[in-house]
Amino acid sequence: QKEVEQDPGPLSVPEGAIVSLNCTYSNSAFQYFMWYRQYSRKGPELLMYTYSSGNKEDGRFTAQVDKSSKYISLFIRDSQPSDSATYLCAMSAGNDYKLSFGAGTTVTVRA
Amino acid sequence: DTGVSQNPRHKITKRGQNVTFRCDPISEHNRLYWYRQTLGQGPEFLTYFQNEAQLEKSRLLSDRFSAERPKGSFSTLEIQRTEQGDSAMYLCASSPGTSYNEQFFGPGTRLTVL
Repeated sequence: QKEVEQDPGPLSVPEGAIVSLNCTYSNSAFQYFMWYRQYSRKGPELLMYTYSSGNKEDGRFTAQVDKSSKYISLFIRDSQPSDSATYLCAMSAGNDYKLSFGAGTTVTVRA
Repeated sequence: DTGVSQNPRHKITKRGQNVTFRCDPISEHNRLYWYRQTLGQGPEFLTYFQNEAQLEKSRLLSDRFSAERPKGSFSTLEIQRTEQGDSAMYLCASSPGTSYNEQFFGPGTRLTVL
């Protein structure tokens, strides 16, 4: 079993819809949680960064962390065709700097 | 451009050849990481440096792989005697080395071993 599980999709939504992405994990030591966006053949781009449990909002993006359930989510409101990409969740423990990634969810926003 | 840069962007080589990749981190970031990503998977950790010290290496990093960061600035990743299984995207990331662990990635080097 992988340390971080993420449904690879693909996920296809109409423009303007809410995109909901999630990951589950097994390592209770994880404290830092990140979401990256990756366009085809490019490097990952950091979207959201959250420490411990709670919600964080940045523009159209909301990240949620529920450590009790070992479950994290990313919501994208008013989705645009330019949001079409692969979204990767990543996490690390407090004393361990390497990131453990999910496999990524491919999202297509249809115009 | 003040982001992480990687060179070359693409490398095609024949099995058995040696290849070297370079990463230039964001200025003043003292942590530097290497990851490998294959198609349809998330990046997998290979190794990381704090300044010039290599602090951790993954089991994925076989004896054919070596990484250096000689002056605590840029880093190189060398693969000796390449194998077809080494074909992947090699990603470099850097972070400022504070209590935060935000890692910023470069565009990657795509390696194809024929």
